[in-house]
Amino acid sequence: GENVEQHPSTLSVQEGDSAVIKCTYSDSASNYFPWYKQELGKRPQLIIDIRSNVGEKKDQRIAVTLNKTAKHFSLHITETQPEDSAVYFCAASRPRDDKIIFGKGTRLHILP
Amino acid sequence: GAVVSQHPSWVICKSGTSVKIECRSLDFQATTMFWYRQFPKQSLMLMATSNEGSKATYEQGVEKDKFLINHASLTLSTLTVTSAHPEDSSFYICSARSGGRATGELFFGEGSRLTVL
Repeated sequence: GENVEQHPSTLSVQEGDSAVIKCTYSDSASNYFPWYKQELGKRPQLIIDIRSNVGEKKDQRIAVTLNKTAKHFSLHITETQPEDSAVYFCAASRPRDDKIIFGKGTRLHILP
Repeated sequence: GAVVSQHPSWVICKSGTSVKIECRSLDFQATTMFWYRQFPKQSLMLMATSNEGSKATYEQGVEKDKFLINHASLTLSTLTVTSAHPEDSSFYICSARSGGRATGELFFGEGSRLTVL
């Protein structure tokens, strides 16, 4: 089955700096890659997603890149703010069974 | 976005009892729902895929007799933790896709925190 690896597990960045979280996936058939943000005690919320026919997608301070050949994708957050502090999960989904498999998560701390 | 509601948010039960958790899609029909389990400070582990009108598909290592899933309608899936034990204490969260595969986005319920005494 699909396996999603995520790094780092914890990331601390100074407010205003950029944060990058990287993920790899194992199944070349996966074609949908969402990123979720989960604040303490709350449900995960989709922040951005990308499909395999696109290499990069941007939404204000958040961008995601996808390298299908290498089977890895990354989340980039620029000009980080205190409210960006949360756990971020990458995920991968394949059309065969529609399941979404999550990485282990990255706890992002924005330092004042 | 689409709304998925989960109930109850919190449940405490005695060891050996069964607990039912409901997951509802409030403004869309979901032929497929997913049940995840999340331990503190850990990832979302897919337990099973709930299919409306048919049997659920369980992930490897998940006991189907322990975690009973019923998806009787297009807006409701239930997870019953049978004969619960302290090791079943966890955060259970359901999700569903709106608009079918073309849309892709997965919407999550609020989650249910189960504590087994």
